[in-house]
Amino acid sequence: DAEITQSPRHKITETGRQVTLACHQTWNHNNMFWYRQDLGHGLRLIHYSYGVQDTNKGEVSDGYSVSRSNTEDLPLTLESAASSQTSVYFCASSKRSGVPYNEQFFGPGTRLTVL
Amino acid sequence: TQLLEQSPQFLSIQEGENLTVYCNSSSVFSSLQWYRQEPGEGPVLLVTVVTGGEVKKLKRLTFQFGDARKDSSLHITAAQPGDTGLYLCAGARYSSGSARQLTFGSGTQLTVLP
Repeated sequence: DAEITQSPRHKITETGRQVTLACHQTWNHNNMFWYRQDLGHGLRLIHYSYGVQDTNKGEVSDGYSVSRSNTEDLPLTLESAASSQTSVYFCASSKRSGVPYNEQFFGPGTRLTVL
Repeated sequence: TQLLEQSPQFLSIQEGENLTVYCNSSSVFSSLQWYRQEPGEGPVLLVTVVTGGEVKKLKRLTFQFGDARKDSSLHITAAQPGDTGLYLCAGARYSSGSARQLTFGSGTQLTVLP
């Protein structure tokens, strides 16, 4: 079955370290998204991509970067982890453009703690 | 700036009770989606409403999109413990032939006690 996976599921790191969170989907979806979820804030968009080599900044992109070298993967990199980046991170994908609404399919999340 | 305000933020009720969750905005959305999220998992889509005034029913759940497409509500009849979870509304704006981004509300954490 097609799916979207994230790894690792849990990560503890230290302030200043570089961290990369993986996201892999097997639906062949063009659109991929990274969100962070914090209590009281719902899901906030970090970066998104509408296809290979396309990346865009979201609402809370400072301190994060993404790259899209193939359809299946959108890794999220924290260049120099900060305690404010302690959060649960979700990757999502959706299948096509040109329609007024798209269902987004979410991965299981990565809980990141920055000490 | 939170474009979508959900209320209440927390709701704890007894099994069998009815409840309504609200999602409000000052902005117009092309469509509005409701997701449910369980602990340790990602959100899962429940429904999408597109037309102003639209009402959709999913078993004991009733979803309504406001006439002006700025607000939505989720009503659960005879709540069950299995309804426990975080309910998120998400709005999409249609522009340039696409509405691929979603703006999420802050969520309503529902607990249904047996």
